[in-house]
Amino acid sequence: SQQGEEDPQALSIQEGENATMNCSYKTSINNLQWYRQNSGRGLVHLILIRSNEREKHSGRLRVTLDTSKKSSSLLITASRAADTASYFCATDKGDNNDMRFGAGTRLTVKP
Amino acid sequence: DAMVIQNPRYQVTQFGKPVTLSCSQTLNHNVMYWYQQKSSQAPKLLFHYYDKDFNNEADTPDNFQSRRPNTSFCFLDIRSPGLGDAAMYLCATSRDAGWGQPQHFGDGTRLSIL
Repeated sequence: SQQGEEDPQALSIQEGENATMNCSYKTSINNLQWYRQNSGRGLVHLILIRSNEREKHSGRLRVTLDTSKKSSSLLITASRAADTASYFCATDKGDNNDMRFGAGTRLTVKP
Repeated sequence: DAMVIQNPRYQVTQFGKPVTLSCSQTLNHNVMYWYQQKSSQAPKLLFHYYDKDFNNEADTPDNFQSRRPNTSFCFLDIRSPGLGDAAMYLCATSRDAGWGQPQHFGDGTRLSIL
């Protein structure tokens, strides 16, 4: 069953602008990951943030986690047309492999 | 490069005709997963293998089966495909299970049912 919910469902911006996507989840988690999926391709892992972390950076990506609000955000700075893809959050509780994906945000970056 | 390979990329089968999708990995990961993804939806976990141990999701239909003959290969068998089984099927691997282990995905097999 689905755990995370992303919003917005779709986001369209101009190249160079920042893109922010949000993920909310229902139950307590140990880890939250963000993945990217280009059209017709598999998912690619972007970044992991653990429940005891509040913020992580990787290149142009910035992820925050607020466990009190059960939410995370992914910020892509200085977006490029190549960032056009769907972005999914995925959460797990730590044990077994109970990782669940949200429905995703479809990002379009116009050149 | 170490990777996850799915064959074929596109598969067409007839209603009710068994079909097998394949996945291979060169990462030597312990865990292999199969996901079903319908258009504009989240990937839905069908089952996974931790080494040889099979773990089925509670809501995976009996129509879906899987085999993992060795570390490198995993197969998804759909015994009697229905129209509702048309989807992208994604294979993924991870070194271990849970605990934030990133998953490595293949590019999927898009299954069409005639």
